[in-house]
Amino acid sequence: DGGITQSPKYLFRKEGQNVTLSCEQNLNHDAMYWYRQDPGQGLRLIYYSQIVNDFQKGDIAEGYSVSREKKESFPLTVTSAQKNPTAFYLCATNNGGTLNTEAFFGQGTRLTVV
Amino acid sequence: GEDVEQSLFLSVREGDSSVINCTYTDSSSTYLYWYKQEPGAGLQLLTYIFSNMDMKQDQRLTVLLNKKDKHLSLRIADTQTGDSAIYFCAESDNQGGKLIFGQGTELSVKP
Repeated sequence: DGGITQSPKYLFRKEGQNVTLSCEQNLNHDAMYWYRQDPGQGLRLIYYSQIVNDFQKGDIAEGYSVSREKKESFPLTVTSAQKNPTAFYLCATNNGGTLNTEAFFGQGTRLTVV
Repeated sequence: GEDVEQSLFLSVREGDSSVINCTYTDSSSTYLYWYKQEPGAGLQLLTYIFSNMDMKQDQRLTVLLNKKDKHLSLRIADTQTGDSAIYFCAESDNQGGKLIFGQGTELSVKP
């Protein structure tokens, strides 16, 4: 099946720990995105990558890091510097076109700090 | 910068029409989108409209675009309990394919 796989579905982190959220896609899309969702705030862009080995900060990149070593994979690390990491994290892709930018989403990872 | 605004909640009775409204700021957006999110899941594209169109109809869904007022709406005819979800309006920034989302409107359909 073609699609986007995020893992794990639920993740618990102790304060002070780094955790990495996985996002894998087999859609052969160039562009990948990480969004954070909080109740009543919609989706906010953390980082995005338009091509392998390149990525840019989004609106709320502080406390997060990413890598894009392979086209299929765009892992997100939530570092201890992120003061309020409890949220629902969504990974998305699109084909990188500049016109119709329909995004495809994974099922999300819910991160909770305990 | 770009901004997209939606009301947070809408409640309707089964069988009624639902209208979800959205305002946006970036007049250069080529496409505008409606996404649906069911509880605990990712977002699914419902429909989109090209910026040179005023209306698009797709089965029970009707999208209206008023470019002058930068207002987008989604009408769901004969709303069903399965339509209960959060609906997001989004515009593209035309720079690298980023989407800017509204806060989402939670639609509650009562039997």
